[in-house]
Amino acid sequence: DAGVTQSPTHLIKTRGQQVTLRCSPKSGHDTVSWYQQALGQGPQFIFQYYEEEERQRGNFPDRFSGHQFPNYSSELNVNALLLGDSALYLCASSLYVNTEAFFGQGTRLTVV
Amino acid sequence: KQEVTQIPAALSVPEGENLVLNCSFTDSAIYNLQWFRQDPGKGLTSLLLIQSSQREQTSGRLNASLDKSSGRSTLYIAASQPGDSATYLCAVANQAGTALIFGKGTTLSVSS
Repeated sequence: DAGVTQSPTHLIKTRGQQVTLRCSPKSGHDTVSWYQQALGQGPQFIFQYYEEEERQRGNFPDRFSGHQFPNYSSELNVNALLLGDSALYLCASSLYVNTEAFFGQGTRLTVV
Repeated sequence: KQEVTQIPAALSVPEGENLVLNCSFTDSAIYNLQWFRQDPGKGLTSLLLIQSSQREQTSGRLNASLDKSSGRSTLYIAASQPGDSATYLCAVANQAGTALIFGKGTTLSVSS
């Protein structure tokens, strides 16, 4: 079982650029959530996808958008990058909602 | 708005000691509570999941308790080892089960 996989592991972007992060859920899981973790803080919920639709969204601007594909994998897109978007982005998968969440290793995004 | 607090923020203990990490939350309307471990710069590893109807869960040297009415959970680690050194995060699932709300974590250091 490969678990939750995220790509890339590290990324450096310039202010104003756009970035796409990718996540493959744990085998058998159908729900994907994205979190942002700033240094020294707990992860903050961005949004959750189930059946290719956004089920819930946290307090993040519209610059953050996502997508879930028929194979349950997901992408997180961030437009017009700001220095403050520098963080570890974590993907979590679960079987439907309300069950144990499993996290990937994260993508470290640095905006310069 | 749900808030999760973890005390202490940091803890240093000698190897072999038993220890307790604390987590409190402001809204008792949770679906479940999960404890995670995070190594520096890495993703989250799920340790224990407690459903809102349960009082405790055990896995090896770890025991987690949940008191929903008082808004508290504890993670008990028996016979600590240097390999237990990491940041421990507590997260509560909202009532819809769609989002995890995290504390800032407790950073544990176990010396040999």
